[in-house]
Amino acid sequence: ETGVTQSPTHLIKTRGQQVTLRCSSQSGHNTVSWYQQALGQGPQFIFQYYREEENGRGNFPPRFSGLQFPNYSSELNVNALELDDSALYLCASSSGQGTNTEAFFGQGTRLTVV
Amino acid sequence: DQQVKQNSPSLSVQEGRISILNCDYTNSMFDYFLWYKKYPAEGPTFLISISSIKDKNEDGRFTVFLNKSAKHLSLHIVPSQPGDSAVYFCAASTRLVQTGANNLFFGTGTRLTVIP
Repeated sequence: ETGVTQSPTHLIKTRGQQVTLRCSSQSGHNTVSWYQQALGQGPQFIFQYYREEENGRGNFPPRFSGLQFPNYSSELNVNALELDDSALYLCASSSGQGTNTEAFFGQGTRLTVV
Repeated sequence: DQQVKQNSPSLSVQEGRISILNCDYTNSMFDYFLWYKKYPAEGPTFLISISSIKDKNEDGRFTVFLNKSAKHLSLHIVPSQPGDSAVYFCAASTRLVQTGANNLFFGTGTRLTVIP
């Protein structure tokens, strides 16, 4: 059973650029959630995907978008990067829409916007 | 608006003693609570959870207590070990009725240091 893996682990981008972060969910999991963790804060929910459709969204602007693929892997895209987007981006996978199940996290992608 | 709060940013405990980490929440719709442990350069690792229909859940050295009337939960680690040194996040979950999405609301974390 493979865990949640994210790529890349670190990334530096310039303000105004676009970025794509990738996540492979844990085997058997069909739900992927993305979180942003700013320095000194807890993770903040961005959105969740279930069976390739967005299934809930936190308080993030539309320039944060995502995709889920048939194999349940996922991408997070951020357009028009701002300095405040610098954070650790965490992907979490879980099984069973609508049920309270534990989310298993990847190691994260550290994004720095300069 | 921080719906889940961990008011102690850090805690130091002697090895072998009890560690008590606290968490408060404001949203009465939360129905599931989780604790995650995070080491540097790693993602959060699930530790233990509790449903709102229970007031206690135990797993080895870890016990979570839930006091719904006070909107408070705590994580007890007994006995504490140096390997327990990490940042501990409290998280709460509420199911979005329309979509069934199940997002987590996290506290800001408590850094536990267990002194050998």
